[in-house]
Amino acid sequence: GAGVSQTPSNKVTEKGKYVELRCDPISGHTALYWYRQSLGQGPEFLIYFQGTGAADDSGLPNDRFFAVRPEGSVSTLKIQRTERGDSAVYLCASSWTGFDEQFFGPGTRLTVL
Amino acid sequence: SQQGEEDPQALSIQEGENATMNCSYKTSINNLQWYRQNSGRGLVHLILIRSNEREKHSGRLRVTLDTSKKSSSLLITASRAADTASYFCATLASGAGSYQLTFGKGTKLSVIP
Repeated sequence: GAGVSQTPSNKVTEKGKYVELRCDPISGHTALYWYRQSLGQGPEFLIYFQGTGAADDSGLPNDRFFAVRPEGSVSTLKIQRTERGDSAVYLCASSWTGFDEQFFGPGTRLTVL
Repeated sequence: SQQGEEDPQALSIQEGENATMNCSYKTSINNLQWYRQNSGRGLVHLILIRSNEREKHSGRLRVTLDTSKKSSSLLITASRAADTASYFCATLASGAGSYQLTFGKGTKLSVIP
């Protein structure tokens, strides 16, 4: 079956611009997660959705970052007024419940010039 | 913040040899998961071991968990060149409302043909 998909695979933007990153989870998975990975580091948690609601957004670095999952399936991570420090690979994952293995998408590499 | 610490940071072995990677963590966990990552993109789930389990096997992979020492190990037997990748341990903390995985920095494994 289809795995987690993310679009775009690469995004180059200029400092100060707005970007949206999309995640399409595995069908039926109610839990969805966003992580961010910098070069040479492990992924760092950003936000967790259970259904349509953000159950834990404690990893979002500041209020420039926002994520939605309006129908409990596809999610969009939105970054306003991008900064060079936002450059990283943004990973999305989904799972059946919050206690199960998380299946990751291929990531979106964001580069802020 | 990153809870797990993998050891060693890098490991280079000959094809056919066994590879052992270790992971230490700091807080009580619900489960611990091992992932593989090629070329800094999507993570592939390998094994999930729960806090009440001590050992799990999957093909050439063997994972142990010692909750008293807050440590885990991943053994890959009869390694192949295709096993070359970065390996991460990730912990799911115990406690209500906590569903984020906390990753270490990873072990970079090189298997020489």
